[in-house]
Amino acid sequence: DVKVTQSSRYLVKRTGEKVFLECVQDMDHENMFWYRQDPGLGLRLIYFSYDVKMKEKGDIPEGYSVSREKKERFSLILESASTNQTSMYLCASSPSNRDRGPETQYFGPGTRLTVL
Amino acid sequence: AQKVTQAQTEISVVEKEDVTLDCVYETRDTTYYLFWYKQPPSGELVFLIRRNSFDEQNEISGRYSWNFQKSTSSFNFTITASQVVDSAVYFCALSDLRQAAGNKLTFGGGTRVLVKP
Repeated sequence: DVKVTQSSRYLVKRTGEKVFLECVQDMDHENMFWYRQDPGLGLRLIYFSYDVKMKEKGDIPEGYSVSREKKERFSLILESASTNQTSMYLCASSPSNRDRGPETQYFGPGTRLTVL
Repeated sequence: AQKVTQAQTEISVVEKEDVTLDCVYETRDTTYYLFWYKQPPSGELVFLIRRNSFDEQNEISGRYSWNFQKSTSSFNFTITASQVVDSAVYFCALSDLRQAAGNKLTFGGGTRVLVKP
């Protein structure tokens, strides 16, 4: 079974703090994704990576950065947390197979971040 | 721009009733993929189905069925004889094949289904 783990289920931080959210997958997937989930808005893509050290902006990258130094690990960084970044953050991974179209994404359990 | 609309924000049914979740999408791509995911209270999204735009056959998997209508840009999901364990948020998603990685998804806002005993 594919397993995607996230470092914390719940996190509380203060405005201005630097926040690291970690995601690890154990299936040797090329693609990894970070989403945030807010009521009524569904999931919105923050950043994704299709290879080590490669990253692409998603729909809402402002205020976030990412790091992918190893294939299995994809980190989301909030350089200076703000209250409007209070949200559920979901990490996902998928294999890369362009010939067959987009592959299924597998999700972690999510991190509920509260910024006070 | 791609868009996925799930007009129903919440549906409440009594156990054993059928429930249909609507999904309408917009895309300029001629080839695309559609997905449904389930998010139970535990939070982890669970993959349910992946369908490409060339395959318009309806699909049934146990109590789940999907109706893909390309003419109306809809990909609706029906749960037959609902059970309490079906209570979850369900998301419809559309692929974007223009990205280099070909794997970006656009999600709808989700529909919360509450099945009462």
